[in-house]
Amino acid sequence: GENVEQHPSTLSVQEGDSAVIKCTYSDSASNYFPWYKQELGKRPQLIIDIRSNVGEKKDQRIAVTLNKTAKHFSLHITETQPEDSAVYFCAATMDSNYQLIWGAGTKLIIKP
Amino acid sequence: GAVVSQHPSWVICKSGTSVKIECRSLDFQATTMFWYRQFPKQSLMLMATSNEGSKATYEQGVEKDKFLINHASLTLSTLTVTSAHPEDSSFYICSAKQGAGWGYTFGSGTRLTVV
Repeated sequence: GENVEQHPSTLSVQEGDSAVIKCTYSDSASNYFPWYKQELGKRPQLIIDIRSNVGEKKDQRIAVTLNKTAKHFSLHITETQPEDSAVYFCAATMDSNYQLIWGAGTKLIIKP
Repeated sequence: GAVVSQHPSWVICKSGTSVKIECRSLDFQATTMFWYRQFPKQSLMLMATSNEGSKATYEQGVEKDKFLINHASLTLSTLTVTSAHPEDSSFYICSAKQGAGWGYTFGSGTRLTVV
């Protein structure tokens, strides 16, 4: 079955700098890759997603890139702000079962 | 937008008792409901997938007789933790999907503490 690995587990960056979180997946049939932000005790919130027919997607300070050949995708956050501090999860799924397979999560710390 | 109401938000129960968690889709029909468990500082772990009117499909290692899932209607799915034990203490989250295509709506989660 699908397996998603996420790195790093913790990322500390200075406010205003960029943050990059990387994920790899194992099943080439996966075709949808969302990224979620989760604050402590809250539900995951979708921040950006990408489908397998697209290589890059951007929404203001957030972007996601996908390399289907290498089976990895990355989250890029520019001009980080204190409110970006949270745990970020990547996930992968396919339209045969729509089950999200989650990465282990990255705790992002924005230092003032 | 789509909303899933999950109740209760937190519950404390005694060991050996059962607890029911409800997830209700308020403005759409949830054809598929995913139930997750999340331990502190860990990722979401899929417990089971249920389709309206069908028996739930449980992930390996999840006891179907302990975690009873009912998805009898397109707007309501329930998870009952039977004979709860302290090791069942966790954050339980549901996620609803409407028909085909991408788009998952998460409930707000239930913090279960078994004492």
